[in-house]
Amino acid sequence: EDKVVQSPLSLVVHEGDTVTLNCSYEVTNFRSLLWYKQEKKAPTFLFMLTSSGIEKKSGRLSSILDNKELFSILNITATQTGDSAVYLCAGESTNAGKSTFGDGTTLTVKP
Amino acid sequence: DAGVTQSPTHLIKTRGQQVTLRCSPISGHKSVSWYQQVLGQGPQFIFQYYEKEERGRGNFPDRFSARQFPNYSSELNVNALLLGDSALYLCASSRGTTETQYFGPGTRLLVL
Repeated sequence: EDKVVQSPLSLVVHEGDTVTLNCSYEVTNFRSLLWYKQEKKAPTFLFMLTSSGIEKKSGRLSSILDNKELFSILNITATQTGDSAVYLCAGESTNAGKSTFGDGTTLTVKP
Repeated sequence: DAGVTQSPTHLIKTRGQQVTLRCSPISGHKSVSWYQQVLGQGPQFIFQYYEKEERGRGNFPDRFSARQFPNYSSELNVNALLLGDSALYLCASSRGTTETQYFGPGTRLLVL
């Protein structure tokens, strides 16, 4: 059975800190690794990673995939209170587009 | 463009009842997936539909069923509700079965 594990489960930092969120995965017929930010309801898409070692960057957020060791990290630099959210990682399979999600990392950024 | 829409936003039912949740995908998207998110956990895959056909099914009992209409909107039905069915039900749409999914705001179901 496919499995995605995120760590840490929760994290509390102060504004300006840099954080690293971890995601390990075991997905049959792996296609891609996705990161989402969930604040209240709908997860919003951040990154899709398919190639190992290539960093994707969007503003203060960046992510990289290692598909040999089967993990990904999400980095957030110069954190702001608006970054407070649950960050979800999902492994996508080529089988019927099914995504297997981890339980998320709850990030709290204090002023 | 409008995003994925879901209705209703909230719903309260009692054990044993049946519920229907609705989802309209982003215009141009032909694939709809349903997920259940229990508090404190990540979303769990229930179904994926593409061109009105079921393309994938997660580990959920037969009480859960879904369908997709010619306009690509979708309904999720849950029969004989249990307390454990209380969750946020998320719908996600994508252009095809293997492309990035965009989530709707969800329907929060409470079973008493």
